[in-house]
Amino acid sequence: QLQLQESGPGLVKPSETLSLTCTVSGGSISSNSYYWGWIRQPPGKGLEWIGNIYYSGSTYYNPSLKSRVTMSVDTSKIQFSLQLSSVTAADTAVYYCAAFFSNTWSSYFDSWGQGTLVTVSS
Amino acid sequence: DIQMTQSPSSLSASVGDRVTITCRASQSISSYLNWYQQKPGKAPKLLISAASSLQSGVPSRFSGSGSGTDFTLTISSLQPEDFATYYCQQSYSTPPTFGQGTRLEIK
Repeated sequence: QLQLQESGPGLVKPSETLSLTCTVSGGSISSNSYYWGWIRQPPGKGLEWIGNIYYSGSTYYNPSLKSRVTMSVDTSKIQFSLQLSSVTAADTAVYYCAAFFSNTWSSYFDSWGQGTLVTVSS
Repeated sequence: DIQMTQSPSSLSASVGDRVTITCRASQSISSYLNWYQQKPGKAPKLLISAASSLQSGVPSRFSGSGSGTDFTLTISSLQPEDFATYYCQQSYSTPPTFGQGTRLEIK
C-alpha cells in the first residue's frame, strides 16, 4: 500500500514561491503504472488538480496554473516536488500529494498524503 | 476543461436511508468517472473507479453506475460513518476535474 507524506513551509509571503515535497513509501516511485500528482483544496471549498509528473520527468499541468507551476521528481530520494510561484492569498489551501494510477481502462487517485495547509500571508 | 456538476450540493438523511448522488459531465466521458469520500480534516478516499468498480475494502452498500454524461453514487443503507462529503472526478481528459462536492449530513 502506497503511503505519501507532504512536507514544506506552512506560511509563504505574497509574491514568493511555494515549495512542497512529497515522500513516497510502500512502493516504487519508478512504477510505470503511476503518475505523481498534486491537488489543492482552499478552506471550505472543492478539489483542484494542479499537475502530475511521471518518474521519467514528464509533466502535465493544469492550464489555469501552468505559468506558475514547476514539478520535479527525484527517484533516488523517492520524492517529488511542487513549486508554485508568485503566490497570492488565493493560493491559500490544503495541498495534497497523491498517486495517480493509470491504465487503458481507468485512471484515478488511489493513495493520498494527509495534506498540508499552506497559508499565503505577509 | 470538462465541467462536472453534482446534485444535490447538500443532503440530509438518516441512518438506514438509501441515498443517491448524481454527477453530470459537460461532455461524454465514457466510464472514466471516479467517486471519493472526504471526512473533515482528512484526505479524500477513493470509493469507486471506472464508474462502477468498487475499491477493495469499501463496503458493498456503496455502488456506482452510469456512462457517457450521467452517473450516480448510491449508498443502500446509510451508516453513521458515511456522513461526509462526496466528490466525483473525471479522468477522461486532462485536466482531471472534480465535481463541487455533495455534503451528506445527519438528519
